[in-house]
Amino acid sequence: DVKVTQSSRYLVKRTGEKVFLECVQDMDHENMFWYRQDPGLGLRLIYFSYDVKMKEKGDIPEGYSVSREKKERFSLILESASTNQTSMYLCASNSLGVGQEAFFGQGTRLTVV
Amino acid sequence: AQSVSQHNHHVILSEAASLELGCNYSYGGTVNLFWYVQYPGQHLQLLLKYFSGDPLVKGIKGFEAEFIKSKFSFNLRKPSVQWSDTAEYFCAVNAASSASKIIFGSGTRLSIRP
Repeated sequence: DVKVTQSSRYLVKRTGEKVFLECVQDMDHENMFWYRQDPGLGLRLIYFSYDVKMKEKGDIPEGYSVSREKKERFSLILESASTNQTSMYLCASNSLGVGQEAFFGQGTRLTVV
Repeated sequence: AQSVSQHNHHVILSEAASLELGCNYSYGGTVNLFWYVQYPGQHLQLLLKYFSGDPLVKGIKGFEAEFIKSKFSFNLRKPSVQWSDTAEYFCAVNAASSASKIIFGSGTRLSIRP
């Protein structure tokens, strides 16, 4: 069974703090993704990584950065958290090949106060 | 760039009613298409996917979807819904290459009246 594990289920951080969200997958997937999920907006792609140290911006990268130093781990970094980054953050991974679906973690609900 | 539109934001049905949720995508090349479901309090899971072959694909729990290339559509259907189908449904697309972004629609919340 594919497992995508996010380090925290719930986080509360203060405005201006640097926040790290960690994601680990155990299926040797090449691709990893970070999304944020907001009511009425669905899932919006923040960043995508297709290999170690390789990344591409998604639709809403502003205010975020990512790190992928090892194949199994993909970190999302909020350099200076703001209240409009309060959201549910979802990590996903999939393998190379046609039609490969993404597998999701359980999500991290981040509240910035 | 790919994009996905789900026009139904909230659908309310009675048990045993038939369901059709719309999904249209925008992309000029060959695509893979997915429907995901998120039950309350749970993570997203795959319902079904299309990447080649028969445009009518069957998924879990009696769901099916039809890929109509000329209409850029991939609508989800179920002939008879159950209360347990209450969930949020997301359509997604990615370019049919090995390393590509998966783009999701805004989701449709389905509420089933018992």
